[in-house]
Amino acid sequence: GIQVEQSPPDLILQEGANSTLRCNFSDSVNNLQWFHQNPWGQLINLFYIPSGTKQNGRLSATTVATERYSLLYISSSQTTDSGVYFCAVIYNNNDMRFGAGTRLTVKP
Amino acid sequence: NAGVMQNPRHLVRRRGQEARLRCSPMKGHSHVYWYRQLPEEGLKFMVYLQKENIIDESGMPKERFSAEFPKEGPSILRIQQVVRGDSAAYFCASSSYMPTNAEAFFGQGTRLTVV
Repeated sequence: GIQVEQSPPDLILQEGANSTLRCNFSDSVNNLQWFHQNPWGQLINLFYIPSGTKQNGRLSATTVATERYSLLYISSSQTTDSGVYFCAVIYNNNDMRFGAGTRLTVKP
Repeated sequence: NAGVMQNPRHLVRRRGQEARLRCSPMKGHSHVYWYRQLPEEGLKFMVYLQKENIIDESGMPKERFSAEFPKEGPSILRIQQVVRGDSAAYFCASSSYMPTNAEAFFGQGTRLTVV
């Protein structure tokens, strides 16, 4: 089956810093999503991005499908950005698989 | 415009009992996915269903676990004869059938505790 790898596994930032999270996948995909799991366990949709670049406030994402990776940028991080960031790829008949996540801690 | 609804939010079962977890997809969504998450770990795929069909159950244990998504009503994940190792958060997601708009949305999860 398709492999989804995220890096780094853990990231600790000081408030105000910027960061880049990466998601590599092993095969062609129909689509890709980024999620944030907050400390209460809720999974929040961030981006639905098969290709190109999208921005939403301090967050932006870029997917280069031909090279099989996606990047999530967080600028001017805040403590509320803490949690786990997952990428998920949608492939075949809308099947969906997740990476292991990047655990982000933003310190005040 | 309700989102994905999962119930119950918390479920406690004694070893050997059955657990039934329910997931009502968003309106207009016909695809449902179930994932299991252990503490401090990622989302492990279990099963992917469309209305009345199991599309991919490669992540689901062959014994004690079953899933269905009937024509009417919610999707059900059933765990028979639960053991302590089944304790986890179970999340479901739903999406549309349209390939050009297949964004998936998650419910709030069911936290199963086996005592």
